[in-house]
Amino acid sequence: DSGVTQTPKHLITATGQRVTLRCSPRSGDLSVYWYQQSLDQGLQFLIQYYNGEERAKGNILERFSAQQFPDLHSELNLSSLELGDSALYFCASSSSQTGFTDTQYFGPGTRLTVL
Amino acid sequence: GNSVTQMEGPVTLSEEAFLTINCTYTATGYPSLFWYVQYPGEGLQLLLKATKADDKGSNKGFEATYRKETTSFHLEKGSVQVSDSAVYFCALPSGGYNKLIFGAGTRLAVHP
Repeated sequence: DSGVTQTPKHLITATGQRVTLRCSPRSGDLSVYWYQQSLDQGLQFLIQYYNGEERAKGNILERFSAQQFPDLHSELNLSSLELGDSALYFCASSSSQTGFTDTQYFGPGTRLTVL
Repeated sequence: GNSVTQMEGPVTLSEEAFLTINCTYTATGYPSLFWYVQYPGEGLQLLLKATKADDKGSNKGFEATYRKETTSFHLEKGSVQVSDSAVYFCALPSGGYNKLIFGAGTRLAVHP
């Protein structure tokens, strides 16, 4: 158990809908990262927050947004969903702002299926 | 930016066989290197890490050495078990060191 929790574990929805994925980092970690794992793209970094502020952005679509709340939990919002958004979404956390030697610990993931 | 190349799978071995999964990288500076493992139906787990050149990471019988001269971080295990069947990912930080970039993953299947 990494100490990172994600809910829900599974999510099935329809095209055009909006969903929210939730992540709670390990106790004491200030950075939260979101990744997408799909069969065709592999594991891709989406976005990072540190202590409530956005710090880095990767291949995140404009239809997707995230935020980190004062209690440090984070939410990833996916809207106008398309079939291609079906994937496993991971949250990770770490203690520092940069990852040069820092270790990211991953949650169990949320499997999103868009029908 | 930094990049990582991982040997393609799947790798199929018999129990107690020796395992090597190759990983090579390109990097600015000397970031930490990681191996993560994903068991069937589960999330990513950190398997081991190395933080500097010649450093050896080890865990659960797996080892990998940070080789600066060959820019490699190959994963090895002397005697695999059926329970080691999983997908293994080599990773390193990039892009201002905020994000991890991952290899494509190598699927390992161990048969009794």
